[in-house]
Amino acid sequence: DAKTTQPTSMDCAEGRAANLPCNHSTISGNEYVYWYRQIHSQGPQYIIHGLKNNETNEMASLIITEDRKSSTLILPHATLRDTAVYYCIVRGYSNYQLIWGAGTKLIIKP
Amino acid sequence: GAGVSQSPRYKVAKRGQDVALRCDPISGHVSLFWYQQALGQGPEFLTYFQNEAQLDKSGLPSDRFFAERPEGSVSTLKIQRTQQEDSAVYLCASSLGYLYQGKTEAFFGQGTRLTVV
Repeated sequence: DAKTTQPTSMDCAEGRAANLPCNHSTISGNEYVYWYRQIHSQGPQYIIHGLKNNETNEMASLIITEDRKSSTLILPHATLRDTAVYYCIVRGYSNYQLIWGAGTKLIIKP
Repeated sequence: GAGVSQSPRYKVAKRGQDVALRCDPISGHVSLFWYQQALGQGPEFLTYFQNEAQLDKSGLPSDRFFAERPEGSVSTLKIQRTQQEDSAVYLCASSLGYLYQGKTEAFFGQGTRLTVV
């Protein structure tokens, strides 16, 4: 599976959009981009995933560049409860393992 | 239940003691995973079940670790003769379908925090 690179930490003001970047320059054509988050002392929570088209659900939007070498997770109106570690994961079509990096610690400030 | 349930939530074991960690996946979920998460790190894959079959145990760190899912629902992760390096959060996840479909998300439990003293 391709490796991902994320900033170690980010701050965002409450009510603003939080944009979390992820680089996955070695991604191959059949690998999906997944985002999970982990709030302190809880298990990881699925947010969104995509292959090549942009995706949106009730939690977030996922923007994948045309060359698929990077993506951005957007939380449109961040709240204090969005403070968490956000993980960007690339997983192959036939590979059921999720291989996690260290993630981005997102802190939402009032 | 509505989500993946793990018990106990916390476990303190003396070095050398055997422990058993339980996972109740979401009803009907075919796939079940165990992950180990050290402090400040992302989870690391331990093992994968498809129904009752353990298809991958490549992530189990030693032969002291054993997992089972005899009836294709509840799973138990057992650690024999615990060592201090086994201290971690053990996460269980389940998924409705077969993850080789490439698009099915996994739902995680809250984890069991194991501390070996």
